[in-house]
Amino acid sequence: GAVVSQHPSRVICKSGTSVKIECRSLDFQATTMFWYRQFPKQSLMLMATSNEGSKATYEQGVEKDKFLINHASLTLSTLTVTSAHPEDSSFYICSAREAIFSGTYSNQPQHFGDGTRLSIL
Amino acid sequence: KNEVEQSPQNLTAQEGEFITINCSYSVGISALHWLQQHPGGGIVSLFMLSSGKKKHGRLIATINIQEKHSSLHITASHPRDSAVYICAVKSPDKLIFGTGTRLQVFP
Repeated sequence: GAVVSQHPSRVICKSGTSVKIECRSLDFQATTMFWYRQFPKQSLMLMATSNEGSKATYEQGVEKDKFLINHASLTLSTLTVTSAHPEDSSFYICSAREAIFSGTYSNQPQHFGDGTRLSIL
Repeated sequence: KNEVEQSPQNLTAQEGEFITINCSYSVGISALHWLQQHPGGGIVSLFMLSSGKKKHGRLIATINIQEKHSSLHITASHPRDSAVYICAVKSPDKLIFGTGTRLQVFP
């Protein structure tokens, strides 16, 4: 089946560091990738939607300059947490939607990465 | 009130038991997903459905569009089924997630 690889799986770093998380679709092309954040025992919250070759669409309350998203190819999107602080510590997970058109793109399957646990000291 | 509600929040079962997890939603949707999140955090998509019923192995998912309700059933549960099960609806083009049901199956 379709595989989404997310790397790294865990990051521990000092406050002020910038952290880059990669999300790759391994065996399919993804025109759209989604970045989510999850706090312990809570739902996934959508942070932003990235479309290949265009600027990401951020959800209300998510700082664009803080969470930089780049979707330069049909198989790779990156999320960079700039100047990370302890309150940015969380579980970040990406998902990718297959680029096969079957009437509507919106009902294409979404495949999830294994997530990145970010801890800022 | 959340747009996607799941019940129960926590569920424990003995190996072999039949399990049902429920999901109700209050928005118009184009599809509903059932997801499985393991302790490490990775998420696996179990089903995407917009009507009727789907079956995969010991898992069955049903949806009633008129009642805005879906159920996930696990037959002959096994300890390896222990995970958080998440219902997510697509409305209109974004996924809205429930808070999940934490399932523990004991041998």
